[in-house]
Amino acid sequence: GGIITQTPKFLIGQEGQKLTLKCQQNFNHDTMYWYRQDSGKGLRLIYYSITENDLQKGDLSEGYDASREKKSSFSLTVTSAQKNEMAVFLCASSIGPDTQYFGPGTRLLVL
Amino acid sequence: QQKVQQSPESLIVPEGGMASLNCTFSDRNSQYFWWYRQHSGEGPKALMSIFSNGDKKEGRFTAHLNKASLYVSLHIKDSQPSDSALYFCAVRKNNNNRIFFGDGTQLVVKP
Repeated sequence: GGIITQTPKFLIGQEGQKLTLKCQQNFNHDTMYWYRQDSGKGLRLIYYSITENDLQKGDLSEGYDASREKKSSFSLTVTSAQKNEMAVFLCASSIGPDTQYFGPGTRLLVL
Repeated sequence: QQKVQQSPESLIVPEGGMASLNCTFSDRNSQYFWWYRQHSGEGPKALMSIFSNGDKKEGRFTAHLNKASLYVSLHIKDSQPSDSALYFCAVRKNNNNRIFFGDGTQLVVKP
């Protein structure tokens, strides 16, 4: 089996700060995703990438940048953190559009 | 854009009881369906997939699909406290990389 690692586990930032979240997978999956989850609610797709150097916008891409540096890694940047923002960012990977495997999440709090 | 709606939002069942979760989708071209489960503090994990109309049983879990009625459901027999989690329905069209998730049903199994 494989694993998805997300760093950091917790991220506390200041309003207006640029914050970067990282995701690594060793499944050798081609497709990777970033989702945002607020307060145990639904998953909103921010960006996804179907191969190295590819980037596709999801439903919530405004305010975020992403980068697929290599097949195994996918980064997400919050371009300007919003005060009192609190959310969990989940990374996932899959073979094509098949079953997605999720990481444990990065919990963000903006002061 | 695909709309995936789950009901109920939350559900409480006694230990040993049957839990029934419902999901409707809007796109008649949808072909592939999953149920994901997310325990508190973790990322979602795929529970089971169903691609053909009818029932699919895996242990205590039975998924039911009716594409013509735009409906998929999950039934958990002999519910256990460890089944307490947030359950997501996920839907995909055949020729599209996007999986669309519902907003989830929060299941609590009371001992």
